[in-house]
Amino acid sequence: NAGVTQTPKFRILKIGQSMTLQCAQDMNHNYMYWYRQDPGMGLKLIYYSVGAGITDKGEVPNGYNVSRSTTEDFPLRLELAAPSQTSVYFCASSYSIGFDSPLHFGNGTRLTVT
Amino acid sequence: DAKTTQPNSMESNEEEPVHLPCNHSTISGTDYIHWYRQLPSQGPEYVIHGLTSNVNNRMASLAIAEDRKSSTLILHRATLRDAAVYYCILRDNTDKLIFGTGTRLQVFP
Repeated sequence: NAGVTQTPKFRILKIGQSMTLQCAQDMNHNYMYWYRQDPGMGLKLIYYSVGAGITDKGEVPNGYNVSRSTTEDFPLRLELAAPSQTSVYFCASSYSIGFDSPLHFGNGTRLTVT
Repeated sequence: DAKTTQPNSMESNEEEPVHLPCNHSTISGTDYIHWYRQLPSQGPEYVIHGLTSNVNNRMASLAIAEDRKSSTLILHRATLRDAAVYYCILRDNTDKLIFGTGTRLQVFP
């Protein structure tokens, strides 16, 4: 099983450029999440989705946008890249809401903005 | 969101048991206790979770205090591959899963 797949693995952006981080899962999970992890820090929730067509903000949504047109895909869009967005981005999915449903994570996208 | 407190780092020797503590004094009655770990350059990996009773699986054991204000992740025989950051997280019936900074476990041969 592929699980959660993130592309690209690495990317370097110039300030002001835009890009989309791709995330796909093949487990038919309804719930999907985007986290960022700055060096030496824990993960911070950017956006999440409870199903196709439904998204909501997490702890640090500013500078990002998401969409969820299908169950499988949950892309994260950076419109005007800033150095503060240099981070490792992780996508995750889970079968159901809350309680005892574990998250499955991708291996991350390492983004540098210069 | 309920918070958890973990030590920043711990050390162990290979093949010895490791007890990773977590305090969660503001836990509510329906919060599940989840543990994840993150190996270097990888995404977090689910380890174990529980509500009230102690839990065992192939990776680890989870011991939950009777008042549920603390829990301990137990690795029965640490290996070099267990060196990672371990996160203790409370999961409630909302959509968010909030991570703290975790405990960095070093394992020495």
